[in-house]
Amino acid sequence: NAGVTQTPKFQVLKTGQSMTLQCAQDMNHEYMSWYRQDPGMGLRLIHYSVGAGITDQGEVPNGYNVSRSTTEDFPLRLLSAAPSQTSVYFCASSYSPGSAGQGEQYFGPGTRLTVT
Amino acid sequence: GQNIDQPTEMTATEGAIVQINCTYQTSGFNGLFWYQQHAGEAPTFLSYNVLDGLEEKGRFSSFLSRSKGYSYLLLKELQMKDSASYLCAVHVLTGGGNKLTFGTGTQLKVEL
Repeated sequence: NAGVTQTPKFQVLKTGQSMTLQCAQDMNHEYMSWYRQDPGMGLRLIHYSVGAGITDQGEVPNGYNVSRSTTEDFPLRLLSAAPSQTSVYFCASSYSPGSAGQGEQYFGPGTRLTVT
Repeated sequence: GQNIDQPTEMTATEGAIVQINCTYQTSGFNGLFWYQQHAGEAPTFLSYNVLDGLEEKGRFSSFLSRSKGYSYLLLKELQMKDSASYLCAVHVLTGGGNKLTFGTGTQLKVEL
C-alpha cells in the first residue's frame, strides 16, 4: 500500500496562475479532505468528500475547487493563485470519522506551495 | 463554529511526564482526536476519544470529559523524539457535515 500520495511536493506559482494539486489513496477510504497549514494557524479544512461524487466546503474554501470522480482521487484546484495561498497543503483520507475503525485520518506528505 | 484552545508551547525534561490540555466549545461534538506532527512532516494519529474517561496506549494516554469540553494528552517517560507539535482535533457530526476542526497545536520541546 502506498497510502496517501500527493504531487507535487513543491511548487512555485505566479499570482493569477492556476494549478491542480493531486491526491490519491489506495486504502478504499470513503472520506477524503484537504487542509492548509500556516504558521500559528494550525490545520484548516478547505474541502472534504464523504464519497465519490459528494464534496462539501470546510472552513476556508474560497479560491479552491474540488471534485471526486473516483474513490481513489481527490484533486484540489487553485483557480487563480494569490500570495495568501502560500502554504503547506495536506490531503488526508480515512473511513468516515466516527465509524468503526475510529476514522483515523492518514495524511499525505504535503505540498509546499509558494505564490509570488 | 468551533473554538479550540491548547497551549502554544511547553517544555519538559527527558524521562518526565507532561500533560497537554485542550478545551473546546462546539455543537455536534462526536469525538476528539490527538495527532503528533514532527517539523516538516505530516501529522500522525495518536488517539481518538468518544466516551468520557482515560484511554491508555503505551507511553501515551488521552482523557476526555464531554461535559467540561476538556481533553488532555499525557506523555510519560519522555524521550527526545517526543519533541513535536501535538494537535487536538474536534470531530463534529451535524446536519451541516462530518468534519474535523484542528486546534493550533502545542509545540513540545523535550530537554536533557
